Amino acid sequence: ELKVEQNPLFLSMQEGKNYTIYCNYSTTSDRLYWYRQDPGKSLESLFVLLSNGAVKQEGRLMASLDTKARLSTLHITAAVHDLSATYFCAVDPLRGSQGNLIFGKGTKLSVKP
Amino acid sequence: NAGVTQTPKFQVLKTGQSMTLQCAQDMNHEYMSWYRQDPGMGLRLIHYSVGAGITDQGEVPNGYNVSRSTTEDFPLRLLSAAPSQTSVYFCASRPRGLRPTNEKLFFGSGTQLSVL
Repeated sequence: ELKVEQNPLFLSMQEGKNYTIYCNYSTTSDRLYWYRQDPGKSLESLFVLLSNGAVKQEGRLMASLDTKARLSTLHITAAVHDLSATYFCAVDPLRGSQGNLIFGKGTKLSVKP
Repeated sequence: NAGVTQTPKFQVLKTGQSMTLQCAQDMNHEYMSWYRQDPGMGLRLIHYSVGAGITDQGEVPNGYNVSRSTTEDFPLRLLSAAPSQTSVYFCASRPRGLRPTNEKLFFGSGTQLSVL
């Protein structure tokens, strides 16, 4: 059974600081996704990582994928309050077009002034 | 382009009642799925479909039925609601295929369901 573990589950940061969220998964996959969810809202796609060594950046967020270590990281640089949200990683355990994703439990990020 | 549309946004049921959560997408996506989100549990897959007439169970299918008579619609039926089904339900879709641009799941806005 594929398991996706995120840590930490809760993260309180000060503005301007850097931090990393980790996503470990338990079986072979070369597809990993990061989503953001604001309170009471739907999920918004942030990054799609499709190969070993993939790195994507947008603004203060950078995501990377190491398929050999079965690890993805979401790095936050110089956090600002607007980044406060819950971040989910998700893994596609089946190559092909089934499309099912297994989600981690989410990391609730709170950025304080 | 409306994307993925879910109705209703909020619903309160009594134990034993039945109801259908509606999901429609206008992007001609073959793949559609239903997830439930509970505090501290992330999202868990209930049922999914890879095309009209084809459905399959996900991680937590008990108490739910689905059908896919058209590409656009994928309703989720609660047969006899139980308090354990109190949750937020998300419908999602995406195209089939392996191109990177096809990989993203598009989510609806969610249905918050309370079963008393």
